[in-house]
Amino acid sequence: KNQVEQSPQSLIILEGKNCTLQCNYTVSPFSNLRWYKQDTGRGPVSLTIMTFSENTKSNGRYTATLDADTKQSSLHITASQLSDSASYICVVNGQAGTALIFGKGTTLSVSS
Amino acid sequence: EPEVTQTPSHQVTQMGQEVILRCVPISNHLYFYWYRQILGQKVEFLVSFYNNEISEKSEIFDDQFSVERPDGSNFTLKIRSTKLEDSAMYFCASSFGTGKQSPLHFGNGTRLTVT
Repeated sequence: KNQVEQSPQSLIILEGKNCTLQCNYTVSPFSNLRWYKQDTGRGPVSLTIMTFSENTKSNGRYTATLDADTKQSSLHITASQLSDSASYICVVNGQAGTALIFGKGTTLSVSS
Repeated sequence: EPEVTQTPSHQVTQMGQEVILRCVPISNHLYFYWYRQILGQKVEFLVSFYNNEISEKSEIFDDQFSVERPDGSNFTLKIRSTKLEDSAMYFCASSFGTGKQSPLHFGNGTRLTVT
């Protein structure tokens, strides 16, 4: 069964610190992997999209990595800010089609 | 920056009633989607729509659901006879294409509460 699993479920860090969120997936065949940020009560916002041939992708302080062999991805956030507090969702597009498979997300809380 | 807009932001309805959720996708986008998120759970795919027809749908999207693009700008989701378990946040999304270069742009959702 196509699944996307994320860890940790939640995370609390101090402002200015770095953190890394993990994603494992069993989706096959695989087209691309995306990371989204979802603020409470808002729709998800795209951070990065990677195909199987890409190992790393950056968007400002966000850096995503992908190992298509082990079916693992990570999202690294550098120098966290209070506004980074949100749910970070790993999403896999399993085929050339349109349906995206979402993980449950990691809830990040950045405190001052 | 262009946005996907959804109305209403919150809809309360009684079980068995019909509801229509409305969305205005980004104007030059060609693919349109509905997703839902039950409180505390992950986002789930419902349906995708392209060239005035459904291109893909999930098991959730049964005969009680329908989608329509009645004019050049609106994209609607209709639930014919709502059930308690339909209570969720419904997100509309749009994209220019389906590949890597075409991220989905989501609206801020309609919270549907069925009583």
